[in-house]
Amino acid sequence: GAVVSQHPSWVICKSGTSVKIECRSLDFQATTMFWYRQFPKQSLMLMATSNEGSKATYEQGVEKDKFLINHASLTLSTLTVTSAHPEDSSFYICSARRPGLTDTQYFGPGTRLTVL
Amino acid sequence: KQEVTQIPAALSVPEGENLVLNCSFTDSAIYNLQWFRQDPGKGLTSLLLIQSSQREQTSGRLNASLDKSSGRSTLYIAASQPGDSATYLCAVLRQTGANNLFFGTGTRLTVIP
Repeated sequence: GAVVSQHPSWVICKSGTSVKIECRSLDFQATTMFWYRQFPKQSLMLMATSNEGSKATYEQGVEKDKFLINHASLTLSTLTVTSAHPEDSSFYICSARRPGLTDTQYFGPGTRLTVL
Repeated sequence: KQEVTQIPAALSVPEGENLVLNCSFTDSAIYNLQWFRQDPGKGLTSLLLIQSSQREQTSGRLNASLDKSSGRSTLYIAASQPGDSATYLCAVLRQTGANNLFFGTGTRLTVIP
C-alpha cells in the first residue's frame, strides 16, 4: 500500500520560533497534498491544499504568512509554522492524493507540535 | 458547504457486542466516503472506502453502507473486541472542486473486556 511519512513525529519549541514539518509520499508521486490540523478531541480541519509547483490554497481563516507551505517536488511538501505561539500547539496531519480510479488520500502519522 | 456529523460522539460496549456507528452529510454530491480509525495521538488508518456508485463495502468484521440520496453512511462492527477501541472518523470527498476530504466529528468507541 501507499505510504506517507511525516517528520518530525513530535516537536517542542519556544514561542516566537519557527518549525518546519515535512510530509513525504514514499512510494508514489503526489501532485496534491493536504495539511490538516486537529485540536484535542476534535476532528480534522483542512488548513491548505498544496499543489506541486504552484502556490498553496488556504482555507478561510488560515493565515498564509504564518503557515508557509512549499511543495517543491512530487514527493515532498513542507509546512512551516512561523513565529509559533502556544495557540498553534496542535496535531498536524498531512495527506497525499494518489491519482487513480479512486483518488484515494493516504495520511501521514501526524506531528504533535507543542509551543511553550 | 459540506457538513459531516457523526452520532454518537462516544460509545461504550461490552466485548462481543455488534455495534453501528452513524455518519450523515449535508451535500449528497460526493465522490466517495471513507471510514478511518484513529488511535490516541496517532494518525489515521483507512478502514473502508465506498465509491458514490456503491452501496456497501466489507472488510473482515467491518461493513460500511452508503445511502447517498439520504446523506447517510453506517459502519457496522461485528463481535467487537477491546482492540477496536479508538476514534472512528468518516470523511466525504466532494464530487467537484478541490479534492479535499470533509471529516466528521468522530465517534470515540470503548470496548470493555
